Amino acid sequence: DGGITQSPKYLFRKEGQNVTLSCEQNLNHDAMYWYRQDPGQGLRLIYYSQIVNDFQKGDIAEGYSVSREKKESFPLTVTSAQKNPTAFYLCASSTGVGPYGYTFGSGTRLTVV
Amino acid sequence: QQQVKQSPQSLIVQKGGISIINCAYENTAFDYFPWYQQFPGKGPALLIAIRPDVSEKKEGRFTISFNKSAKQFSLHIMDSQPGDSATYFCAASIDSWGKLQFGAGTQVVVTP
Repeated sequence: DGGITQSPKYLFRKEGQNVTLSCEQNLNHDAMYWYRQDPGQGLRLIYYSQIVNDFQKGDIAEGYSVSREKKESFPLTVTSAQKNPTAFYLCASSTGVGPYGYTFGSGTRLTVV
Repeated sequence: QQQVKQSPQSLIVQKGGISIINCAYENTAFDYFPWYQQFPGKGPALLIAIRPDVSEKKEGRFTISFNKSAKQFSLHIMDSQPGDSATYFCAASIDSWGKLQFGAGTQVVVTP
């Protein structure tokens, strides 16, 4: 079955550490996105990529980095520069253009300990 | 600046009642309006979507009403069930652009 796989489901990070969240899709989608969701809040765009080897900052990119070396993969690194990283992180993909919406992964909950 | 404004932030409805969530937008270039449903601890899932050339779209108990002149669209959940308790997001995009703009979300609680 086609879909988006995010791993791990839960992640704990010590202060000052970088952590990488994995996102893999087998939908042959061109575009991929990372969102952050805080309790009771909406979806805030961190980074997005519409083509391999290219990505754009979203609304809250500070303290995060991404890469897009393969069409299927769009990992997100939460760096130590992100002051408040505890949140629910969602990866999504789409065809890139056209009225087809997004397919979301099941999310990674990151907690700083 | 939020391009899609969603209200209410939360609502409580009795089983069998109607849940209504409203969204408004400013960018008249938007031409695709989906709604997403999210259960706790899960990613959002596409529920129903509409294009601006249609004023209403119904899928089961879920209906989107679209008012192009007012730049507003709404989701109606008929005969609400406890299993409908979730957070609902409206969104909008431009075909040639693809990137969705999301509303802030509405938490719906359906009481037995």
